[in-house]
Amino acid sequence: KAGVTQTPRYLIKTRGQQVTLSCSPISGHRSVSWYQQTPGQGLQFLFEYFSETQRNKGNFPGRFSGRQFSNSRSEMNVSTLELGDSALYLCASSLDTSGGPGGDTQYFGPGTRLTVL
Amino acid sequence: DQQVKQNSPSLSVQEGRISILNCDYTNSMFDYFLWYKKYPAEGPTFLISISSIKDKNEDGRFTVFLNKSAKHLSLHIVPSQPGDSAVYFCAYSGAGSYQLTFGKGTKLSVIP
Repeated sequence: KAGVTQTPRYLIKTRGQQVTLSCSPISGHRSVSWYQQTPGQGLQFLFEYFSETQRNKGNFPGRFSGRQFSNSRSEMNVSTLELGDSALYLCASSLDTSGGPGGDTQYFGPGTRLTVL
Repeated sequence: DQQVKQNSPSLSVQEGRISILNCDYTNSMFDYFLWYKKYPAEGPTFLISISSIKDKNEDGRFTVFLNKSAKHLSLHIVPSQPGDSAVYFCAYSGAGSYQLTFGKGTKLSVIP
């Protein structure tokens, strides 16, 4: 079974631009979460989607948004990019059968490395 | 607000010996603590978890211990292998949510 795939793997943008990142979960997985990893802040939760609905949202400004499609694929968008948005963006998917990642393994993709110049 | 702290940024261990990675937390309300391993240029990989009602969980070479009175958990790897060299993150999940709160990670180096 194919793992979580994220596209593109690397991206370079300039300040003020916007960017869209894509995540394809493992087949059959219905929950998709997004995380940002930076050297200073570590891994931080952005949001989680299930059945095209955002179930949880982390403490990020409104410039960060996402959506999930009927096939469970997800996209996240960052508008008006800032230098501090340079990070590794990780997507994770789960079956969502046990109500949480303790009983239901989350599988992470390799991430998209975003560089903002 | 739950905080998860990994106070050791790095750890070096000889091959075959025990590796002990530690994590402290501040809030007693959680469902699970989880450990993930991360290699460079890859996403984190789930290793093992422990629920709030247990104090120990084992899976092969990996054992996680939870000390609720001290708000401390640890991951034991026995015996350590060079392939275990990676960054290890502890994370917590609460109230049936898929939101994970991660520690900053500990880089483990296993020396052959």
